[in-house]
Amino acid sequence: KAGVTQTPRYLIKTRGQQVTLSCSPISGHRSVSWYQQTPGQGLQFLFEYFSETQRNKGNFPGRFSGRQFSNSRSEMNVSTLELGDSALYLCASSGGGPTDTQYFGPGTRLTVL
Amino acid sequence: TQLLEQSPQFLSIQEGENLTVYCNSSSVFSSLQWYRQEPGEGPVLLVTVVTGGEVKKLKRLTFQFGDARKDSSLHITAAQPGDTGLYLCAGDPTGGTSYGKLTFGQGTILTVHP
Repeated sequence: KAGVTQTPRYLIKTRGQQVTLSCSPISGHRSVSWYQQTPGQGLQFLFEYFSETQRNKGNFPGRFSGRQFSNSRSEMNVSTLELGDSALYLCASSGGGPTDTQYFGPGTRLTVL
Repeated sequence: TQLLEQSPQFLSIQEGENLTVYCNSSSVFSSLQWYRQEPGEGPVLLVTVVTGGEVKKLKRLTFQFGDARKDSSLHITAAQPGDTGLYLCAGDPTGGTSYGKLTFGQGTILTVHP
């Protein structure tokens, strides 16, 4: 079974631009969660989607948004990029149940100049 | 204040030594996961512990879940350079009501020197 895939793996943007990241979950998984990882803050939860609906959201500004498609693929969008948005963005997929294990993709490294 | 406190933050040891990483909380977790992450990659699941007092072994790695389900430990016997990486504990302190949201410890960076 193929794992979680994320595209692109690396991105360089400038302040004020926007960016869209993509995540394809493990086949059969209906839940996709997004996390931001930085050296100072560690892994922080952004949001989770299940069957095209956002079920949970972390404490990030409205510039961070996401969506999920009918095939469970998910996209995350960040508008008006700031230097502090530079991070590794990880998505994880699971079956969506309360005790289901999350499996992570390799991440997208975003650098904002 | 971190919901999950990991210690130590950094560990630098010689090949063949033993080590223990701790993950502590004041909250009860229905389960805890341990992940290992290498630079530029996503975390890879090592184990999930569910039952208080549970001990799981994965080759040279031993994982323990505290009786009260508030803490966990990872013990590595005879560490090898291939064990080098960032070790993360994670869990859901809400009993499964926080959909898709894992709370992570700050991580332990382990370096094993040949």
